[in-house]
Amino acid sequence: KQEVTQIPAALSVPEGENLVLNCSFTDSAIYNLQWFRQDPGKGLTSLLLIQSSQREQTSGRLNASLDKSSGRSTLYIAASQPGDSATYLCAVQHASGGSYIPTFGRGTSLIVHP
Amino acid sequence: DAGITQSPRHKVTETGTPVTLRCHQTENHRYMYWYRQDPGHGLRLIHYSYGVKDTDKGEVSDGYSVSRSKTEDFLLTLESATSSQTSVYFCAIKLGTDTQYFGPGTRLTVL
Repeated sequence: KQEVTQIPAALSVPEGENLVLNCSFTDSAIYNLQWFRQDPGKGLTSLLLIQSSQREQTSGRLNASLDKSSGRSTLYIAASQPGDSATYLCAVQHASGGSYIPTFGRGTSLIVHP
Repeated sequence: DAGITQSPRHKVTETGTPVTLRCHQTENHRYMYWYRQDPGHGLRLIHYSYGVKDTDKGEVSDGYSVSRSKTEDFLLTLESATSSQTSVYFCAIKLGTDTQYFGPGTRLTVL
């Protein structure tokens, strides 16, 4: 059974810092990995999707990398802002089977203070 | 915007009463999902559907049933609500082949 772990569980940083969120998974036979953002009281919003054949994806100040062989992904946030405060979740889709049933990590709760 | 709504957005009910949550989408996506989200457990799959009248269980399906009689609606029913089912419930749809789009959530409190 795929297990997804996110470290740290919580993070508080001053504005302007570059930071790294970590996601690890136990079964490297994945189809893709996705990073989501969740604001308090809201649903999840997709940030970046990395296919198993890719090494990284970038969107603005966000960069996500994937090392499938070691079962790790990192989300890099450059020049953090208070508006980045949210919970960040990663989700892994296994390679086998036709149904799209991702496994989610429990998330990293990020606070960026001014 | 994928156009997904959930109703009700908030509900308080008593132990033992039946509860039905509705997820509605406007774009005829085939796959729909129900999750619950709890502190310390993250997001857990309850049931999902891969077409009209085609559903399957997730990891926490006990105490829940679902129905999908139309492409656009996916209903989650708690036949006899218990306090352990107090949670935030999210509906999601699959976009294309690779990603999910989530609804705004329903906060359910069972007293």
